[in-house]
Amino acid sequence: GESVGLHLPTLSVQEGDNSIINCAYSNSASDYFIWYKQESGKGPQFIIDIRSNMDKRQGQRVTVLLNKTVKHLSLQIAATQPGDSAVYFCAEQDSGNQFYFGTGTSLTVIP
Amino acid sequence: DSGVTQTPKHLITATGQRVTLRCSPRSGDLSVYWYQQSLDQGLQFLIQYYNGEERAKGNILERFSAQQFPDLHSELNLSSLELGDSALYFCASSPWGLAGNNEQYFGPGTRLTVT
Repeated sequence: GESVGLHLPTLSVQEGDNSIINCAYSNSASDYFIWYKQESGKGPQFIIDIRSNMDKRQGQRVTVLLNKTVKHLSLQIAATQPGDSAVYFCAEQDSGNQFYFGTGTSLTVIP
Repeated sequence: DSGVTQTPKHLITATGQRVTLRCSPRSGDLSVYWYQQSLDQGLQFLIQYYNGEERAKGNILERFSAQQFPDLHSELNLSSLELGDSALYFCASSPWGLAGNNEQYFGPGTRLTVT
């Protein structure tokens, strides 16, 4: 099957600092990528997405970067806040509507 | 609150049994997705329905089946349950069925424990 892997299973950052969460994907045919946030006891929550014809997309305090050459996806969170503490998943979707999720990175924000 | 509801919230059953998980999508959403989340496998896509028809199939076991009804709610049926089926089962919904730009809204999940 396809593999979507995260480089770091855990990440701790100081409140106010920027966070970068990385993700590698293996299917070069994937054309849509999504970042999800999952807080304890809740379902995943959409953060931001990007299509394969883009290399950068910005949201509110979040930026997703896509490097198709090396099949790498990153999520940048600016001015990280305690409420950002959660597990973050990247996901890819191929043209057949199949979704593949990474194992997740646990982000802890230190006040 | 995503607007997606799932019942039951918790389910405890024995091996060999059959259970049905229910999902009601957000109002107006036509697509429903089912996912399994376990500690050792992470989040796994199982199946997608769009307006009553199967649209995509992922890592869904033959012992599992799903359907989407005319009122767009969906059910996931798990049979001949094994200990390894213990997991969180999430349902998500989205407005469209086409690939790409298809933000999914996840429900709170059903925690299944097989003893």
